[in-house]
Amino acid sequence: DAKTTQPNSMESNEEEPVHLPCNHSTISGTDYIHWYRQLPSQGPEYVIHGLTSNVNNRMASLAIAEDRKSSTLILHRATLRDAAVYYCILRDDFGNEKLTFGTGTRLTIIP
Amino acid sequence: EAGVAQSPRYKIIEKRQSVAFWCNPISGHATLYWYQQILGQGPKLLIQFQNNGVVDDSQLPKDRFSAERLKGVDSTLKIQPAKLEDSAVYLCASSLGRSNHEQYFGPGTRLTVT
Repeated sequence: DAKTTQPNSMESNEEEPVHLPCNHSTISGTDYIHWYRQLPSQGPEYVIHGLTSNVNNRMASLAIAEDRKSSTLILHRATLRDAAVYYCILRDDFGNEKLTFGTGTRLTIIP
Repeated sequence: EAGVAQSPRYKIIEKRQSVAFWCNPISGHATLYWYQQILGQGPKLLIQFQNNGVVDDSQLPKDRFSAERLKGVDSTLKIQPAKLEDSAVYLCASSLGRSNHEQYFGPGTRLTVT
């Protein structure tokens, strides 16, 4: 499985945008970029995914670099509820759908 | 829509004892996953079912772990005998299948082996 690299932790102020980076220099053409987050004492929760184009949904936006070697998850206006561990994961569309989690980025929101 | 249900939520056992976890996926979801999450780490896939068949169990310690998904719906994960290093949260997830990218996770079962 192709690997991803994320910062161990980040902090952001409440009600400000947050940009969570992810590097995936060995990404293959059939790898989708997935983001999940895990709130304290809960199971992971799907956030967003994309292949080549930028994506938006009600939770976040995903900006994908033109060469696909990096991506950024954007939370437009952070709330205290967004404090979680965010995982960037590559999933091969021709594989068995499994998700290989790294250690993620622990996001702290400062009130 | 009801989410993925897991029980029990917490379990404490002594080493060498056995334990079983139960998962009820979202109705209609063909694919079911069991993950192990050790404190401070991301979840690690143990086994993946497609309906009642095993797709991937390459990381399941088969000498002590077993899982089944009878009738392609509910699933149980068993550990026998448990070791101290099995202390972790065991997460169940389900998805519609290949054409759908989203996995839905249950709240997990926190196992402590003493």
